[in-house]
Amino acid sequence: DAGVIQSPRHEVTEMGQEVTLRCKPISGHDYLFWYRQTMMRGLELLIYFNNNVPIDDSGMPEDRFSAKMPNASFSTLKIQPSEPRDSAVYFCASRGRDSGNTEAFFGQGTRLTVV
Amino acid sequence: SQKIEQNSEALNIQEGKTATLTCNYTNYSPAYLQWYRQDPGRGPVFLLLIRENEKEKRKERLKVTFDTTLKQSLFHITASQPADSATYLCALLNAGNMLTFGGGTRLMVKP
Repeated sequence: DAGVIQSPRHEVTEMGQEVTLRCKPISGHDYLFWYRQTMMRGLELLIYFNNNVPIDDSGMPEDRFSAKMPNASFSTLKIQPSEPRDSAVYFCASRGRDSGNTEAFFGQGTRLTVV
Repeated sequence: SQKIEQNSEALNIQEGKTATLTCNYTNYSPAYLQWYRQDPGRGPVFLLLIRENEKEKRKERLKVTFDTTLKQSLFHITASQPADSATYLCALLNAGNMLTFGGGTRLMVKP
């Protein structure tokens, strides 16, 4: 397996524009997590899914953020409208269902810059 | 509120010495505690996990302890090498399968 795949790797957009980040988890993994990382706040959990269903979205900062998982192999994180303070690295991670197999595998991240 | 705290200051040590990193948490009852390594420009990579009923876990030069009374985990790297220089993150996995990270501690091993 190629691991967790995120796209794009880098995104530069103007304030007010819509941004969509994409993630393909490892095949067979039941859990998918979206994180945001900044120097100030570290790695923050935004939302996570189990079997394509959102379980906890309490970390989503505002209504401008939304996430979907239409099937087991694809998830999106959308920001509309984007603001400069959304600039960060966004990571997607997945992990398996097995209770003994709890490690999370991370993608390479998407570095978002909103100008 | 729930908190996971790691020393935000960088830890600088000499090659060959043992590095010890600390992770403290409050208002959590984790089922597992995990440690990850993150290099610049990359995503975190899993290193070790320890269960709530375990006191200590070892893997090669790595050792993790878990004290649920103190609500603390210690992460040790023995015989440290410059290649061990990275940011180390602790993470808690609760019964609801939510995985939450601390802020990380940057380790610098000097030759």
